[in-house]
Amino acid sequence: DVKVTQSSRYLVKRTGEKVFLECVQDMDHENMFWYRQDPGLGLRLIYFSYDVKMKEKGDIPEGYSVSREKKERFSLILESASTNQTSMYLCASSLQTTGDTQYFGPGTRLTVL
Amino acid sequence: RKEVEQDPGPFNVPEGATVAFNCTYSNSASQSFFWYRQDCRKEPKLLMSVYSSGNEDGRFTAQLNRASQYISLLIRDSKLSDSATYLCVVTTSGTYKYIFGTGTRLKVLA
Repeated sequence: DVKVTQSSRYLVKRTGEKVFLECVQDMDHENMFWYRQDPGLGLRLIYFSYDVKMKEKGDIPEGYSVSREKKERFSLILESASTNQTSMYLCASSLQTTGDTQYFGPGTRLTVL
Repeated sequence: RKEVEQDPGPFNVPEGATVAFNCTYSNSASQSFFWYRQDCRKEPKLLMSVYSSGNEDGRFTAQLNRASQYISLLIRDSKLSDSATYLCVVTTSGTYKYIFGTGTRLKVLA
């Protein structure tokens, strides 16, 4: 079974802090994704990566950056956390093409005070 | 218009009932289609892929109607454990993006 893990289930940070969310997948998947999920808005794509050191902006990249130094690991960085970044953050991976299933990590519920 | 639209529900149905959800998509070039299930405060998990010929997995049947640009999910003999939010997901050839609907909430009542 594919396993996608995220570094924290719950995180509380203060406004202005730099926040790192880490995601690791163990199935040698090419593609990795970061989403945020908010009530009534569904899952919105922040960034995705289709290869090591490659990244593309999603629909809502402002205030975020990402890093993919190794194939199995994809990090989301909030450079200066703000209260409107309070959300559930979900990492996902898929094998190669968009015909492939996406597998999700358990999510990180981030609260910014 | 949203790229993928779902009725948010909730659909409240008694145990044993049959319930169906639809999901419409706006891009005629959409290529792959999925139904995911998401339990409260958990991550989405693949329920089933949707093929052009339709597919069935036990009590669950998914169908694709390209002419009218929608996919459907039918659940027969509903169980209490089917209570969840069902997310429709659509992808388009040539992009890496998976487009998610906002989900349809199902509550199966005893």
